[in-house]
Amino acid sequence: DGGITQSPKYLFRKEGQNVTLSCEQNLNHDAMYWYRQDPGQGLRLIYYSQIVNDFQKGDIAEGYSVSREKKESFPLTVTSAQKNPTAFYLCASSIGQGARLGYGYTFGSGTRLTVV
Amino acid sequence: QKEVEQNSGPLSVPEGAIASLNCTYSDRGSQSFFWYRQYSGKSPELIMFIYSNGDKEDGRFTAQLNKASQYVSLLIRDSQPSDSATYLCAVDLEGGNKLVFGAGTILRVKS
Repeated sequence: DGGITQSPKYLFRKEGQNVTLSCEQNLNHDAMYWYRQDPGQGLRLIYYSQIVNDFQKGDIAEGYSVSREKKESFPLTVTSAQKNPTAFYLCASSIGQGARLGYGYTFGSGTRLTVV
Repeated sequence: QKEVEQNSGPLSVPEGAIASLNCTYSDRGSQSFFWYRQYSGKSPELIMFIYSNGDKEDGRFTAQLNKASQYVSLLIRDSQPSDSATYLCAVDLEGGNKLVFGAGTILRVKS
């Protein structure tokens, strides 16, 4: 079955530590996205990538980094510069310009990150 | 002004009633509009897409779009307790390269 796999489901980060969230898709989608969700604030875009080896900052990129070395993979690193990383992180993918074409996004099951 | 705005709710309706959810957006260039349903602790799932003015129906769901007034709504007929969730409105920006989401409306259907 095609889909998006996020891992781990739960992640605990110590102060000053970098952590990496995994996102893998086998849908052959060109575009991939990372969103952060906090209670009552909906989804906020962190980074997105339309093609391999290229990505753009979203609205809240500070303290995060990404790479897109393969079409299938779009890992997100939460660095120590992100002062309030506790949130629910969602990875999504779509065909290129899928939003304009009406295909919407397919979401992974999410990673819940907590600072301890 | 936020790009996509929704009333956070909660919106409470009795079982069998019509639930009406509303969303306004700021970018007149937006062309595609989506409604996602999100159960607590789960990821969003797409339930409706609309791009033309007017109504689009799919089962118990009807999406309504008015580009002149920059609002999109979702009607849920014969509401069921299983419809209790957060409903997210999403609008395309930058030529369709990304979606911007509203904060969501919490719907509670009481049996």
